[in-house]
Amino acid sequence: DAKTTQPNSMESNEEEPVHLPCNHSTISGTDYIHWYRQLPSQGPEYVIHGLTSNVNNRMASLAIAEDRKSSTLILHRATLRDAAVYYCILRTGNNRKLIWGLGTSLAVNP
Amino acid sequence: EAQVTQNPRYLITVTGKKLTVTCSQNMNHEYMSWYRQDPGLGLRQIYYSMNVEATDKGDVPEGYKVSRKEKRNFPLILESPSPNQTSLYFCASSLDNRASGEQYFGPGTRLTVT
Repeated sequence: DAKTTQPNSMESNEEEPVHLPCNHSTISGTDYIHWYRQLPSQGPEYVIHGLTSNVNNRMASLAIAEDRKSSTLILHRATLRDAAVYYCILRTGNNRKLIWGLGTSLAVNP
Repeated sequence: EAQVTQNPRYLITVTGKKLTVTCSQNMNHEYMSWYRQDPGLGLRQIYYSMNVEATDKGDVPEGYKVSRKEKRNFPLILESPSPNQTSLYFCASSLDNRASGEQYFGPGTRLTVT
C-alpha cells in the first residue's frame, strides 16, 4: 500500500496562512489524495481531496505536484479552531480504504 | 443532521466479557468501516462493509466480528475481549467505495479492557 510522509508537528500564528506538506512518492495513478483533520477528543473530519488538479473548498486548498508525488494543504487564515492533527491520506485499493500515517500536529498561536 | 453515531462512548470491561459497540449512520451510505486508533500506530482498519451482508477483513481483524444486516447499522463485536484491544475505536461511512469518496466518522468509543 502506498504511504504518506508528513512532518510530526508545525506551528502557525493566528490569521496567517499555513502550508502543510505531504510526500506520497509511491502513489499509484488511481489513488486519490485525501486530507482529514482530528480535533482533540473527536473523530477525524474530512477536509479536502483531489486526484491531479488543485482543489479549493470552504475549508482549505489542496495543491498537488505535477508528478503527484507530493501535495500541500493550505489553510488561508489559521484560526485557533484549526489546531488539530492533519492527516494526508491515500484512498486506495479494491477496498478503497484510507491508508493513515501519523499526521502533522498543528499548533496555532494567538 | 447527517451523522454517524456510536455507542457507548466510553466502556470499561473485563477480559473475556463479550461486548458490542454499535454504529449507525443516517445518510443511506453503502460503505462502512471500523478503525482502531493507538498511539504511535495511527488509525488501522479492522473490518469494512461494501453493503448489506457484504463484510470483509481489514488490516487488524483478529479478535473482532462485525455484521451488516441493515444498511444503517454496522456493529463491532468483541466475543472475548483482551487487554490488547484497549483502544479508541471509530466507525466511518461513505456513500460508496469510490476512491474519491469522503468518509464521515463517528465520535469514537474509548474501550478499556482490564
